Amino acid sequence: QVQLVQSGAEVKKPGASVKVSCKASGYTFTSYGISWVRQAPGQGLEWMGWISAYNGNTNYAQKLQGRVTMTTDTSTSTAYMELRSLRSDDTAVYYCARDQQWLVPHYFDYWGQGTLVTVSS
Amino acid sequence: EIVLTQSPGTLSLSPGERATLSCRASQSVSSSYLAWYQQKPGQAPRLLIYGASSRATGIPDRFSGSGSGTDFTLTISRLEPEDFAVYYCQQYGSSPLATFGPGTKVDIK
Repeated sequence: QVQLVQSGAEVKKPGASVKVSCKASGYTFTSYGISWVRQAPGQGLEWMGWISAYNGNTNYAQKLQGRVTMTTDTSTSTAYMELRSLRSDDTAVYYCARDQQWLVPHYFDYWGQGTLVTVSS
Repeated sequence: EIVLTQSPGTLSLSPGERATLSCRASQSVSSSYLAWYQQKPGQAPRLLIYGASSRATGIPDRFSGSGSGTDFTLTISRLEPEDFAVYYCQQYGSSPLATFGPGTKVDIK
């Protein structure tokens, strides 16, 4: 069965960086994309960006351009999301999700369990 | 840039009633590239509908999606106790390449 297992909760200081991992299993990793979605406490869903596990192409939300980097390691079927220059409003649960397309972002049919990132001095 | 608006913000209904949720886009959504998700407290979202009207694997047939262009609807024909949750629409394929609506909360009347 398809599973996405994310790394554990993180507490970071403002200005630091965080890197969240997402290990996929139960499907051919390189046939799909991975999108990252975050949710601030009590708020809605925000799409952060997408990476093709097939060719490594990325597309990031404009507001995060320059601060976010998404990568994959196809040898371990793992996706990573790094966010730099953290601010308090980056405090959120971060989800990875399998994207139905490896070519461009589409819809997300399986989700990780979420990783809480807390930014606090 | 496409912006999605969902209405109502909160829908208060009783089990067994019909729920009709609206998602409106600021520009036409290409190829009906619209999805719906359900999220319960403390859980990750779950895909319900993609391509505006196709049910995802394992989704009961009381959930249905319709619409095209700028107006889309998620209908739950008869609410079950487990259907009380927040519902999000999401467009894909138009700039920005994926965006979510603000959500509609369906709660028990």
